[in-house]
Formats: sequence, structure tokens, C-alpha cells
Amino acid sequence: AQKVTQAQTEISVVEKEDVTLDCVYETRDTTYYLFWYKQPPSGELVFLIRRNSFDEQNEISGRYSWNFQKSTSSFNFTITASQVVDSAVYFCAPQGGSQGNLIFGKGTKLSVKP
Amino acid sequence: DGGITQSPKYLFRKEGQNVTLSCEQNLNHDAMYWYRQDPGQGLRLIYYSQIVNDFQKGDIAEGYSVSREKKESFPLTVTSAQKNPTAFYLCASSPGVTAGELFFGEGSRLTVL
Repeated sequence: AQKVTQAQTEISVVEKEDVTLDCVYETRDTTYYLFWYKQPPSGELVFLIRRNSFDEQNEISGRYSWNFQKSTSSFNFTITASQVVDSAVYFCAPQGGSQGNLIFGKGTKLSVKP
Repeated sequence: DGGITQSPKYLFRKEGQNVTLSCEQNLNHDAMYWYRQDPGQGLRLIYYSQIVNDFQKGDIAEGYSVSREKKESFPLTVTSAQKNPTAFYLCASSPGVTAGELFFGEGSRLTVL
């Protein structure tokens, strides 16, 4: 991927609401992996999910789910029944740099209010 | 516990000084990375290393240097040639470069006075 766009700079929701984080990317590669990471206020990025480009089956893992559509180069991430602890900055990161390195979007800051 | 340790967590330096940020991992990972993060920005790759004694420039390598003498260690030196060094620096490792999940340290915040 040469470019990653996370159009939502900040999102604020009330606890228990569902929230979807958008990610659109550009790539010249035919096969690649896509990732979502979470950065809480402590600063350390935490791995959330990984998806490969040749499997478009969408999945659910606990309160997390994702919608990958290769035709539109989108990899959206949904948190169901949000909690205050979900407050963080979320980064979409598809492969696309040299040697398969990840390209990070600018992130979406999610605030979940009680 | 297995993980990545970065030190120091906070660092202040005067203009014109070089500073070295430490990154150690005990995950037995082959690949290690340094990223820079500025407010409201994504992570930008500075350098990465796939194997001991070898490393490659990332997207913003100018003004930085690294070494990889041991598998566990990948220190980053911010030199005086880096024009805007104030930033949050994150070190990461992965089992391999291709498709590998990145494991991150807690970061080092460098402020140039």
C-alpha cells in the first residue's frame, strides 16, 4: 500500500454504542496483509487483528469485527457495545512498503464516554 | 515476561547533541524496527533490520543511525543532523518482515530544548 486514509480523525460515542472505524488504502500489490492496531494513552501499540488479502470472509472476534472489501480497498473495523477502556487511537496498517513493511494511517482517536 | 524494552521513557537534550535510544527484545525475533510518531500523525519508519549486522533505511532515515550487533538489541541514535528530532519514538519487533505481527515497546519521548 502506498497510501492509507483514515478519514475519521476523532470519534466520540457513549458507552455501549457500536462504532465503526474506516480505512481505505492504495496498493499495487496483489497479495498483502492488513492490520489494525490500538494505541492507548500509555503509548504502546497493541495488535488487534490481521487479515490477508486473498480471504474476504469477514469475521467476528468477541466485540471486534471487520469488513474487508478488496474491490474497494477498504478494511473497516467495528467495535460492538463499546466500553470506556476502548478509548484509544486506532491505526489501520496494510502492508505496502519495501520488504513488505507496514504503512500506517494517521489514526482515529476514539473516545468512549460513560 | 517476553517483550520489548525501550529506554529511557523520557529524554531531554540540547540542540546539537546526539542521543541514543535503547531497544531490547527477548522474543527471539529476527526483525526489528524504529518508528517515529508526531502528534496527529501515523507512524513513519526510520530504520529496520531483518538480521544481525544488517539494516535498511526506512522512509525518514536522514539524521538517524542504527546498529544491530546482537539479535536482541537495536539502538537508535538521533544525531545533530536531524532537524526536528522532538517526537515519540517506538521500537518494534516481529518474527520476520513478511506478514509478521509487530510487537511494540512503550516508546521513548524525546524533547529537544
